[in-house]
This record gives sequence, structure tokens and C-alpha cells, in this order.
Amino acid sequence: EDKVVQSPLSLVVHEGDTVTLNCSYEVTNFRSLLWYKQEKKAPTFLFMLTSSGIEKKSGRLSSILDKKELFSILNITATQTGDSAIYLCAVNSGAGSYQLTFGKGTKLSVIP
Amino acid sequence: DTAVSQTPKYLVTQMGNDKSIKCEQNLGHDTMYWYKQDSKKFLKIMFSYNNKELIINETVPNRFSPKSPDKAHLNLHINSLELGDSAVYFCASSQWAEQYFGPGTRLTVT
Repeated sequence: EDKVVQSPLSLVVHEGDTVTLNCSYEVTNFRSLLWYKQEKKAPTFLFMLTSSGIEKKSGRLSSILDKKELFSILNITATQTGDSAIYLCAVNSGAGSYQLTFGKGTKLSVIP
Repeated sequence: DTAVSQTPKYLVTQMGNDKSIKCEQNLGHDTMYWYKQDSKKFLKIMFSYNNKELIINETVPNRFSPKSPDKAHLNLHINSLELGDSAVYFCASSQWAEQYFGPGTRLTVT
């Protein structure tokens, strides 16, 4: 059975801190890894990673994938209170479908 | 413009009732999904349809029946509701791996 494990499960930081969220996976037929941010409602897409070692960046957020060690990290620099959310990691695996297996998420709280 | 919409947003009902949740996407995607998110925020796939055809059916009680009248709609009907069905149900759609989620339907069974 495919497995996605995120750590830590929760994290409290002060504004301005840099955080690193971790995601490790054990899946058959890995195709891609995706990061989502979930505030009060629907998860919103952040990044999709398919190749090792290539950093994806969007503003203060960046992510990288290591397909040899089977993990990804999501970095957030200069955190703001608006970054408070649950960050979900998901892996797409399996031939012929785009099924995502999600981790349990990391709840990030940024305090002023 | 709403990309993926769900109705209703909230649903409170009693055990034993039958209810439906509707989902529509205007993104032109071929694949739609239903997820269940429990109280611990764990998001788990239930069903996936590609062009109105069922392609993923995870271990879900057969009280749950998805229906896709066309590729822009995927509805979820639940029979004989139980307390454990209380959760937030998300619809999503995708053309490839990147999935777009609806706002969720919070179902409370009393």
C-alpha cells in the first residue's frame, strides 16, 4: 500500500522564521509529488515535482524532490501569519490514473 | 468564476437518512474525484471518474454511490447515513496530476 509520511505534524514559529516541512513516501510507480496548502477550506495547489534536484520556487516558498531517498521538503522563508495553514503532501502513483495519496499534513502556526 | 463548486456547503441530517452532494467543474477536465477528510484532517480518496467512467473505487461502503451524468459533474449519493460518515467531503478535478479542489461539504450526522 502506498504511504506518505509528513513531519512534523505541527509546528509553531514566529513571524520572520524559516521553516522546513518534510515529506517521505513509499509508493509503487512514482510519477509526481505535489504540495498543497489548506487554510479554512479547500486545499490549494502549490507545487508539483517530478524530477530530483530541481527546485521549484514561488515567492518565499520553495520545494525540492529527492527520488533516490524518497522525500521532498517544502521551505518557507520569512514566514508571515498568512502562512498559517495545513500543508499537505501528496504522491501520484500508479499507471493510467492520477490518484493522489495524501500525507496527514503539517499544521503550521505563525505567531506575530 | 468558480472552477469546482459543490452544493450544499453544509449538511446536517439524522442517522438513517439518504442524502446527495453535487459537484460541478467548469475547467474542462476529464477526471473528477471525491475525497473524505476526517476530523484529523486526513484526506482520503473515495472515487475517481474519467469521462463519466469509474476508474478508482477505494474501500468505501456500498452505501456511497457516485454518479457522473457528464464529465463536468460528479455527484455523491449516500444511503442510510451513519455517525461515522460525518466529515468534510471534497470534490476535485484534474486534467493531469494537478488536482483542483472544491470548497468542501461539511456533513454532520446526528
